[in-house]
Amino acid sequence: RKEVEQDPGPFNVPEGATVAFNCTYSNSASQSFFWYRQDCRKEPKLLMSVYSSGNEDGRFTAQLNRASQYISLLIRDSKLSDSATYLCVVTQSGSARQLTFGSGTQLTVLP
Amino acid sequence: EAQVTQNPRYLITVTGKKLTVTCSQNMNHEYMSWYRQDPGLGLRQIYYSMNVEVTDKGDVPEGYKVSRKEKRNFPLILESPSPNQTSLYFCASSPGTGGKETQYFGPGTRLLVL
Repeated sequence: RKEVEQDPGPFNVPEGATVAFNCTYSNSASQSFFWYRQDCRKEPKLLMSVYSSGNEDGRFTAQLNRASQYISLLIRDSKLSDSATYLCVVTQSGSARQLTFGSGTQLTVLP
Repeated sequence: EAQVTQNPRYLITVTGKKLTVTCSQNMNHEYMSWYRQDPGLGLRQIYYSMNVEVTDKGDVPEGYKVSRKEKRNFPLILESPSPNQTSLYFCASSPGTGGKETQYFGPGTRLLVL
C-alpha cells in the first residue's frame, strides 16, 4: 500500500462546478499536511496547508480527518485556471524522509 | 527575486557519462532536497540536506550523489547515468531544518539518458 494515495482522476468538470479530491495516508503519526498544485510541465507550488480544524482560502476548502487518516480538498465555482494536477503531501513524524507526495489528481475544467 | 534555480533545464546524455545538475537558492534556506517525478509514481525524494555538510538519503538514492558545501547550493551528481534515470528532476528548498514548511521548487530539469 502506498503511504499517500489519491483519487486516480482525471476529473473533467464544467466551469462553475464544485469538485472534491480525497487523499488517504497510512502513517497515523503523520504530522503536517499540504495540498500543492502543479501545472503541466511546471514545478509544484503550495496551494494550502491543511489544519486539524479545517481551513478555507477563497474557493478552496481543505479538511483533515485524523481518525480516518484522510485529507480532502474542495474547489467551489471551478475556473478554467484551476486546471492542474493537485498533489497531496504528508510529512512523516520521525521519518528521515520528511515528506511524502501523492501521485496527484489531474483536474480539467471545461468551458 | 526569491527563487530556486536549476541548470540545465534540459539534458540528453548517454549511458555512463557523468553529469551534474546544479541547484541554487537565494532565500538562505536551511533545508534542500532533490526529487524525481515519473508518471504514475509522483514525486519521490532522492536526497535531502538539513544544513551545510549534512545530507541524507531519501526514498530513491541509488545511482545519485549530492553534496552541500555551501548553504545556497545543492548539486545532484549522476556518476554513471542509466536509462532508468530518465526523469523530471526538481530541486526544492524550505526554511528551518526539516521539510515541514512550504517547499519552494526549482523549475525542473528534464533528463533523457540514452
